[in-house]
Amino acid sequence: GEDVEQSLFLSVREGDSSVINCTYTDSSSTYLYWYKQEPGAGLQLLTYIFSNMDMKQDQRLTVLLNKKDKHLSLRIADTQTGDSAIYFCAESTPGSSASKIIFGSGTRLSIRP
Amino acid sequence: DGGITQSPKYLFRKEGQNVTLSCEQNLNHDAMYWYRQDPGQGLRLIYYSQIVNDFQKGDIAEGYSVSREKKESFPLTVTSAQKNPTAFYLCATWGRVGTEAFFGQGTRLTVV
Repeated sequence: GEDVEQSLFLSVREGDSSVINCTYTDSSSTYLYWYKQEPGAGLQLLTYIFSNMDMKQDQRLTVLLNKKDKHLSLRIADTQTGDSAIYFCAESTPGSSASKIIFGSGTRLSIRP
Repeated sequence: DGGITQSPKYLFRKEGQNVTLSCEQNLNHDAMYWYRQDPGQGLRLIYYSQIVNDFQKGDIAEGYSVSREKKESFPLTVTSAQKNPTAFYLCATWGRVGTEAFFGQGTRLTVV
């Protein structure tokens, strides 16, 4: 079945870049997402990438996709204290049956002063 | 303002009780989802519904039930058969593949 994997924790120094990695198993994945969850809240979409793209940049965020290795990464430049959160990688694949989004376990990003 | 609303934010359940979590959306989305979140385990899919009067089991449906009588509403009942219900529950809606999934603010359920 489909699976999305992430490391559970990442600690970076304020001002440095954060790189959060994700691997997925479904080679037919069409859309890959990054969501952010702040404490006690729901998830908010940060960015997403189509599977036919290699890279997408949006201000401080850069998403890299290696489709051959089924590897997705999110780079946050100039990491700030407000970036402390859990980051979820997710994938979706439209098909004849109901489409659904599969989430990874989330990476908790903490910022050191 | 379009959005998705979960209530209550905090819910306490006694052993052996059924409780119902509310999820309402005014985004006119067909698809609605319930996820359970436990520390370090990410989101696990409980039930989902693609259309009114139809729903499917997710990965951890045992001990839960849902209904979808209206497009706007997808309530989740946590039954007494769910042996470990303490968790954070998230409801989401999704217009179509490739678009954003909108999440509610979650309900934290605690068994007392």
